[in-house]
Amino acid sequence: QVQLQESGPGLVKPSETLSLTCTVSGSSISSGHYWAWVRQPPGKGLEWIGSIYHTGRTYYNPSLKSRVTMSVDTSKNQFSLKLGSVTAADTAFYYCARGFYWGQGTLVTVSA
Amino acid sequence: EIVLTQSPGTLSLSPGERATLSCRASQSISSSYLAWYQQKPGQAPRLLIYATSNRATGIPDRFSGGGSGTDFTLTISRLEPEDFAVYYCQHYGTSPGYTFGQGTKLEIK
Repeated sequence: QVQLQESGPGLVKPSETLSLTCTVSGSSISSGHYWAWVRQPPGKGLEWIGSIYHTGRTYYNPSLKSRVTMSVDTSKNQFSLKLGSVTAADTAFYYCARGFYWGQGTLVTVSA
Repeated sequence: EIVLTQSPGTLSLSPGERATLSCRASQSISSSYLAWYQQKPGQAPRLLIYATSNRATGIPDRFSGGGSGTDFTLTISRLEPEDFAVYYCQHYGTSPGYTFGQGTKLEIK
């Protein structure tokens, strides 16, 4: 069974960079799948942020592309998200996923 | 870019009734890559159905999924009180991007 777990700060200041890591178990990051980040502002719908392949090739949502960086660490079976220049609009639950396998999510609040 | 449109936006039904939720894709998609989720307030989305018609582990058999091409449905045969929630469809594809419907809120009538 594939399991994913998000980790990272729950509070980020405006204009700073949000950083999250997803630790994968039950599957190798190098197994040939795309690994993704999804977010959901409180009370709103789901938004795909981007995906990364184990080779490091990335695919980003065009609406966030200028601020997003994803990376993968195959030695730790982890992948990561960085979102720069955050504002209150980036306050959301952030989920890491592989297809229909999702982590439990982590709330990141952007506030001074 | 594939767009998923869910209907209705809100569905008002009573416990014991049958619910049919629709998810329409802007172009034909593989039935292998269509999933349904249930979300209750304060909780993460819960996987119900994957690959159009396969129930996830622990999902009651009153939940069923079907469809092909551009039209997909989630059916709840007899609504239980705990089924009232928001439901999302997702296309996860062989391409790297994900697409989500805007959600259907299933509320008690």
